[in-house]
Amino acid sequence: DTAVSQTPKYLVTQMGNDKSIKCEQNLGHDTMYWYKQDSKKFLKIMFSYNNKELIINETVPNRFSPKSPDKAHLNLHINSLELGDSAVYFCASSLGGSNQPQHFGDGTRLSIL
Amino acid sequence: KQEVTQIPAALSVPEGENLVLNCSFTDSAIYNLQWFRQDPGKGLTSLLLIQSSQREQTSGRLNASLDKSSGRSTLYIAASQPGDSATYLCAVSNDYKLSFGAGTTVTVRA
Repeated sequence: DTAVSQTPKYLVTQMGNDKSIKCEQNLGHDTMYWYKQDSKKFLKIMFSYNNKELIINETVPNRFSPKSPDKAHLNLHINSLELGDSAVYFCASSLGGSNQPQHFGDGTRLSIL
Repeated sequence: KQEVTQIPAALSVPEGENLVLNCSFTDSAIYNLQWFRQDPGKGLTSLLLIQSSQREQTSGRLNASLDKSSGRSTLYIAASQPGDSATYLCAVSNDYKLSFGAGTTVTVRA
């Protein structure tokens, strides 16, 4: 029933490791996003994909690599994790572009030790 | 670059009082403006979306207005309840992305 689902919900790992976060939406949307919410609760866009094609890469380090195997999935792989990567990562989706509402997942809380 | 500001940062009111949350943005070339609610440790719940051609949207006790030319939106919550306690986020849509404000954290005292 969940419209936008992310896994895992919590991720605790050591600095230097590589990890992935998965996102799936069952709304039939063609555009998916990744946002980062930092410790000050500020949400910022990281990536936007439309029909599996990258639309926006908002100056995110290339340690972050999104992968969209199909329109319903947008996974986020992070290499060589750093302390500053600790945050909550939100996946979202929408139908079409900027004039449609975005629907958010519950977030993945990433903690780097 | 779009900048979104929300005032106040925090608000505490007794139950039953009306809430007024403000949002301003610097670039008026937006597609729409969305108000979200975020509970602690949870995701974002969309409350209202106002298209750039609209001036307001209403849903139950919630009413949001948009003045695109002056770069402002206001969210009104009538007859507040303790269950309205949460952080309210304003976001504007440009070019396949949302730009968020820092939020207003609301506490409604029983």
